[in-house]
Amino acid sequence: EPEVTQTPSHQVTQMGQEVILRCVPISNHLYFYWYRQILGQKVEFLVSFYNNEISEKSEIFDDQFSVERPDGSNFTLKIRSTKLEDSAMYFCASSLQGGKRQPQHFGDGTRLSIL
Amino acid sequence: GNSVTQMEGPVTLSEEAFLTINCTYTATGYPSLFWYVQYPGEGLQLLLKATKADDKGSNKGFEATYRKETTSFHLEKGSVQVSDSAVYFCALTTGDSGGYQKVTFGTGTKLQVIP
Repeated sequence: EPEVTQTPSHQVTQMGQEVILRCVPISNHLYFYWYRQILGQKVEFLVSFYNNEISEKSEIFDDQFSVERPDGSNFTLKIRSTKLEDSAMYFCASSLQGGKRQPQHFGDGTRLSIL
Repeated sequence: GNSVTQMEGPVTLSEEAFLTINCTYTATGYPSLFWYVQYPGEGLQLLLKATKADDKGSNKGFEATYRKETTSFHLEKGSVQVSDSAVYFCALTTGDSGGYQKVTFGTGTKLQVIP
């Protein structure tokens, strides 16, 4: 069964550094998402992406965050000048179509640790 | 706004016991409802879904019925196994458009099944 893959599984970065989290969505999917889960808290929506542009972003997704689909297969989340509070598990998801009935398929996540 | 409330965990059960994890929601519009499961060290996997009132989602022996009158979507399984030990997330999406739909998650309920 096709799956969403994320790399790396664990990223350790010094505060203030830039980090890029990578995702390969399921190949024929058209909608892409990033979520994050701070330890012990809810999974929170960050951003959705469709047709090479951001569809919606949450209040968490401020100017330090950006997303990109640099080619036909990858979908990246960049965090500039990381802060301690960016430490979390970051999940990428994709769905074939839009609409509320379409389930999103999630990757295994990247655990980001900011020192 | 949308929100999902789940029972606090961890829930500890003996093998073959009956499982119920309660989930209630508030939503604008008519939501679709989901249960996701996260096994240790893995990502979020869709367990089951229901898209309209009185629908019953089922998978791997788990069931949940969409109860619009009580705004609930409780997860049940008649006989749990050690391999069911995981964190279970109740979630929803709303909106009538065909576009992207962000998922709103509950806090997750950790299930521990002991032999």
